[in-house]
Amino acid sequence: QVQLHESGPGLVKPSQTLSLLCNVSHGSLSGGEYYWAWIRQAPGKGLEWLGYIYYTGIPYYNPSLRSRLTLSLDTSANQVSLILNSVTAADSATYHCARKVVFRGLIDSDAFDVWGRGARVTVSS
Amino acid sequence: DIQMTQSPSSLSASVGDRVTIACRASQAISSYLNWYQVKPGQAPKLLIYGASNLHSGVPSRFSGTGVGTHFSLSISSLQPEDLATYFCQQSHTTPWTFGQGTKVE
Repeated sequence: QVQLHESGPGLVKPSQTLSLLCNVSHGSLSGGEYYWAWIRQAPGKGLEWLGYIYYTGIPYYNPSLRSRLTLSLDTSANQVSLILNSVTAADSATYHCARKVVFRGLIDSDAFDVWGRGARVTVSS
Repeated sequence: DIQMTQSPSSLSASVGDRVTIACRASQAISSYLNWYQVKPGQAPKLLIYGASNLHSGVPSRFSGTGVGTHFSLSISSLQPEDLATYFCQQSHTTPWTFGQGTKVE
């Protein structure tokens, strides 16, 4: 069963850059069936989809973050990375890595079927 | 962006109760609706995809219905391990968006 594990700095100063890694174990990034996504949850708030990346390296971003967000992957290391520039307190959240799959049927349904526990990030001076 | 609105925001129930959570989309999304269970400190779990399809390994007491703009998640007989926050998510149009969550206490 594929497992996802996020890691990161925990504390980032305002205006600086947040870098997070997602390690994928018991599975491969290279398969064409899956996309690899980042989703965050601010304290007391709902979930927010940030973006996802295909194994070819092509990313898709939430327009609300496109100017500050970069996703990339390293298939040899089985890692997905997130870089968020110019962070503010509003970026404080638990950041989850998740696998997006397409369930084939009468309609083809996209869903996030595997998630990591998340990395908690606080933006504060 | 498509807005997803859940109700109630929280509910209190007892073991064995039937629980129903509603989710409304700001525009029609066919059956492109998923449900997730989130517990503090744990990886979120996919429960339902395509509005009514039970994900592998999810207990049959969970069920989903709806199409268009109105959806619901039901738990037929609440178990202690079901105490969590539940989110709906539309996968009809990017950016994919989630409801604000319903906490089952």
